[in-house]
Amino acid sequence: GDSVTQTEGQVALSEEDFLTIHCNYSASGYPALFWYVQYPGEGPQFLFRASRDKEKGSSRGFEATYDKGTTSFHLRKASVQESDSAVYYCALGDSGTYQRFGTGTKLQVVP
Amino acid sequence: GGIITQTPKFLIGQEGQKLTLKCQQNFNHDTMYWYRQDSGKGLRLIYYSITENDLQKGDLSEGYDASREKKSSFSLTVTSAQKNEMAVFLCASRDWGTDTGQLYFGEGSKLTVL
Repeated sequence: GDSVTQTEGQVALSEEDFLTIHCNYSASGYPALFWYVQYPGEGPQFLFRASRDKEKGSSRGFEATYDKGTTSFHLRKASVQESDSAVYYCALGDSGTYQRFGTGTKLQVVP
Repeated sequence: GGIITQTPKFLIGQEGQKLTLKCQQNFNHDTMYWYRQDSGKGLRLIYYSITENDLQKGDLSEGYDASREKKSSFSLTVTSAQKNEMAVFLCASRDWGTDTGQLYFGEGSKLTVL
């Protein structure tokens, strides 16, 4: 079945470091791909999505590009801040009815 | 804007007990979801409902029942709580009218079974 893989369980960075969180998917066709962010004590919040090959999604300085060839949708940010510390989830739109989530990546940014 | 309200925020139960979680949304969204969140396992779909009185099983439906009697509410029942079970249950709804198809989540209900 369809699946989403996030390889990093935790990432620790210093402020102004470059961030990459890897997301790979397995699905047929062109599923929609999403990134969500979850702060402590809150539910996940939508960051952005993409649904076509080479489409770039972006929000709040974060971005990811849909790559059908490598089945990836890696999250990147050029310069992280302490306020970016959160858990990030990659998700796959499954047949348009529900979304299948990855295991999440906890980002900790130290000043 | 709207909001998703989950009650209770914390639920402590005994092994074998039937426990119910409630979710209300005022977005007027048709589709609602229940996900279970475990550390290191991400979010896994338990049940979803495309519209009022509809129920669809997710990957993790065994041991759970759900109910969608009104468009605005979606309940989840743990039919027999398991000892040492601890998880956060997240309710979400979806707006089919926008291009993003994003999910809107509540803050979660944390379950502890003693």
